[in-house]
Amino acid sequence: NAGVTQTPKFQVLKTGQSMTLQCAQDMNHNSMYWYRQDPGMGLRLIYYSASEGTTDKGEVPNGYNVSRLNKREFSLRLESAAPSQTSVYFCASSLQGGGHEQFFGPGTRLTVL
Amino acid sequence: AQSVTQLGSHVSVSEGALVLLRCNYSSSVPPYLFWYVQYPNQGLQLLLKYTSAATLVKGINGFEAEFKKSETSFHLTKPSAHMSDAAEYFCAVTRSGGYQKVTFGIGTKLQVIP
Repeated sequence: NAGVTQTPKFQVLKTGQSMTLQCAQDMNHNSMYWYRQDPGMGLRLIYYSASEGTTDKGEVPNGYNVSRLNKREFSLRLESAAPSQTSVYFCASSLQGGGHEQFFGPGTRLTVL
Repeated sequence: AQSVTQLGSHVSVSEGALVLLRCNYSSSVPPYLFWYVQYPNQGLQLLLKYTSAATLVKGINGFEAEFKKSETSFHLTKPSAHMSDAAEYFCAVTRSGGYQKVTFGIGTKLQVIP
């Protein structure tokens, strides 16, 4: 039981390049989330998927797109990376939303030059 | 609307001393409250949660938190700090019912001095 896995762990991009961050969970959770963590700002929600087949914007969706590929997988795409997207990205999942605990992946550290 | 305020972005305690990390929340409806811990270069993991049952909640690693509605607070405590408690701690708030957004505080870094 691996929990929530993320790939890659580290990535360096040049401005304008694109990439996809992958996330998978093996806990049969319905809800999945993408956050970014920046110093002094806590975690900010980028996008979430309350259930398979649905996605919605969070607080900071600009410059990102997501795909809920199936119940297990939720990917985050940066179409044209900018230095402001340098951050640590976390994927999380929960059985449902609301009062259910979120389980977090180990994170992807992204640097955009 | 809901929000969380964590007082003190950095807290230092001596090994063996009381740990007190402060969290105040704002919510227009009865909240669910969480404390998560993040060790260096790892994701967050749940320490404890309050979901309207007992107001004193016990979590992992000897931590506990008390929900005080009159003070809109959910402070995290541990009687005796260990070196292994050095980490960043996040308070979070949400509501019950269907999908509800979770709002995280900015985090408090705990340093334990030997």
